[in-house]
Amino acid sequence: GENVEQHPSTLSVQEGDSAVIKCTYSDSASNYFPWYKQELGKRPQLIIDIRSNVGEKKDQRIAVTLNKTAKHFSLHITETQPEDSAVYFCAASSGGSNYKLTFGKGTLLTVNP
Amino acid sequence: DGGITQSPKYLFRKEGQNVTLSCEQNLNHDAMYWYRQDPGQGLRLIYYSQIVNDFQKGDIAEGYSVSREKKESFPLTVTSAQKNPTAFYLCASSPRQGLTSGNTIYFGEGSWLTVV
Repeated sequence: GENVEQHPSTLSVQEGDSAVIKCTYSDSASNYFPWYKQELGKRPQLIIDIRSNVGEKKDQRIAVTLNKTAKHFSLHITETQPEDSAVYFCAASSGGSNYKLTFGKGTLLTVNP
Repeated sequence: DGGITQSPKYLFRKEGQNVTLSCEQNLNHDAMYWYRQDPGQGLRLIYYSQIVNDFQKGDIAEGYSVSREKKESFPLTVTSAQKNPTAFYLCASSPRQGLTSGNTIYFGEGSWLTVV
């Protein structure tokens, strides 16, 4: 089955700096890669996603890049703010008809004011 | 998403007891899922259902059971066979099969289960 590795497990940045979180996946058939943000005690919420036929996608301060050949994808947050502090999860679709997501173990991002 | 309701939010269970977590969605989504979250472990799939009266095991199904008798409901039973049930349980749904942009997974608020 699919295996998703996520790094780093914790990341601390100063407000205004950029943050990058990286994930690798094992199943070359995976073709959908969402990112979720989870604040303490709350549900994960989708922040951005990308399909395998796209190399990069941007939404304001957040961007995701995908390298299908190398089987890795990354989340980039620019101009970080304290409210960006949360746990971020990457995921990859798996199964022949993309019926489920396999998640990375998460990255705790702390933005220091 | 606000259309997925999980109850109870907090639940305490004695060892050896079964407990059922409720999940209801009013989004008219076909697919529903149960994930378990432990610190440092990310989210792991317990069971999923792509259509009424059908469900499949996920990666950690042992000690759990589900039913999908109605489109809007997907209850999860944590049985006494589950060795370490204390965790945060997340129910989720997606509009249709075939996850992609615009057809992704949305989560409920979660249920905290503690075995005492």
